[in-house]
Amino acid sequence: QVQLQESGPGLVKPSQTLSLTCTVSGGSISSGSYYWSWIRQPAGKGPEWIGRIYTSGGTIYNPSLKSRVTISVDTSKNQFSLKLSSVTAADTAVYYCARFDRSGDNYYPESYWGQGTLVTVSS
Amino acid sequence: DIVMTQSPDSLAVSLGARATINCKSSQSVLYSSNNKNSLAWYQQKPGQPPKLLIYWASTRESGVPDRFSGSGSGTDFTLTISSLQAEDVAVYYCQQYYTTPRTFGQGTKLEIK
Repeated sequence: QVQLQESGPGLVKPSQTLSLTCTVSGGSISSGSYYWSWIRQPAGKGPEWIGRIYTSGGTIYNPSLKSRVTISVDTSKNQFSLKLSSVTAADTAVYYCARFDRSGDNYYPESYWGQGTLVTVSS
Repeated sequence: DIVMTQSPDSLAVSLGARATINCKSSQSVLYSSNNKNSLAWYQQKPGQPPKLLIYWASTRESGVPDRFSGSGSGTDFTLTISSLQAEDVAVYYCQQYYTTPRTFGQGTKLEIK
């Protein structure tokens, strides 16, 4: 059974870069038609999709964050990462990593999620 | 972006009664390649990540009780819990995965009356 676990600083200062890593266990990050997402959720609000990466390196970002976001993958460590630059208090949220699958032309919703990590932006 | 709007924002239902949650998308999420709607429902309990309940608008994820069902097509969708159990208290979200960015509804909080 695949498991995902987020890690990184819980407190980031305004204008700095938020950096999180998701470690995948129970299977190879490179195997199958798997796509790896980052999603965040401010307190009391619905989730916001940040973007996704495929292990071939292809990325798609939410246009609302595109200028500040980088998602990368390290297959040797079975990890993928999120960097969000120039953060403000509005970026305070629980950040989740997740996996969704593809079968042929059919893409599926995120079915595996990490437990989430709270990142607070404050000086 | 496709905007997902849920109604109601909150709902109180008696144990054993039916609960119905609605979701409307700002444009059709019907995927022409397979003639299925790219609409998912999630359940989220406090301190936990969202849990996938239903995808393709009406297909239950493995292990999800059959009291949960999804219906609808195009832009209007419904999640129904046929007989509410205490463990169903949660916030429910719809999500479209028809196009990027994937978007979620604002959530519906389900409580026991």
